[in-house]
Amino acid sequence: AQTVTQSQPEMSVQEAETVTLSCTYDTSESDYYLFWYKQPPSRQMILVIRQEAYKQQNATENRFSVNFQKAAKSFSLKISDSQLGDAAMYFCAYSPLGGGTSYGKLTFGQGTILTVHP
Amino acid sequence: EPEVTQTPSHQVTQMGQEVILRCVPISNHLYFYWYRQILGQKVEFLVSFYNNEISEKSEIFDDQFSVERPDGSNFTLKIRSTKLEDSAMYFCASSEALLNRLIQETQYFGPGTRLLVL
Repeated sequence: AQTVTQSQPEMSVQEAETVTLSCTYDTSESDYYLFWYKQPPSRQMILVIRQEAYKQQNATENRFSVNFQKAAKSFSLKISDSQLGDAAMYFCAYSPLGGGTSYGKLTFGQGTILTVHP
Repeated sequence: EPEVTQTPSHQVTQMGQEVILRCVPISNHLYFYWYRQILGQKVEFLVSFYNNEISEKSEIFDDQFSVERPDGSNFTLKIRSTKLEDSAMYFCASSEALLNRLIQETQYFGPGTRLLVL
């Protein structure tokens, strides 16, 4: 079974600084997807960024980028120029590629609470 | 921008009562999911649904749970006889169907329904 681990229960960063959130996962699959979701106090789950495992290039979305290390099964999220609105719980999630018995199932990590200090 | 909607936003019920949580997925999406998040814990997969049948379900999704797509827009989760431990935030999600079913598309989440069982 796939597992996702976020070893940092809490992180904090100063506004305008950069912070990196860690995520590791375990899978026997060679193709899969990885996601970072943000959950603000409203508790809605908002997609931040996604990475296809077959792509070598790390995904980037504006101030958000990932460091995907497939061999190490590591998928960290870097937030540059942090803003107060970035404060939230961040979840790393894994999804298998379509097909088989686990199509579409997202497996989440435990989450990391990010605090942004003004 | 299209979004997943869920009703009600909050529901309080007595143990043993039936509840129905409703979701309206994004209109061109054909894959639907339910997840739950017990307070302070990670988000857990419950069930996935495609082509009017369950694609996969977790061990949490026992006989007390059922899902239905009663019409062209709604997707419901029914808990037949609620237990105290069913108290959680329930998230609906949907993703787009592609001709090539082997490609996993991003799941977009609704704002959640907070269920409290007394």
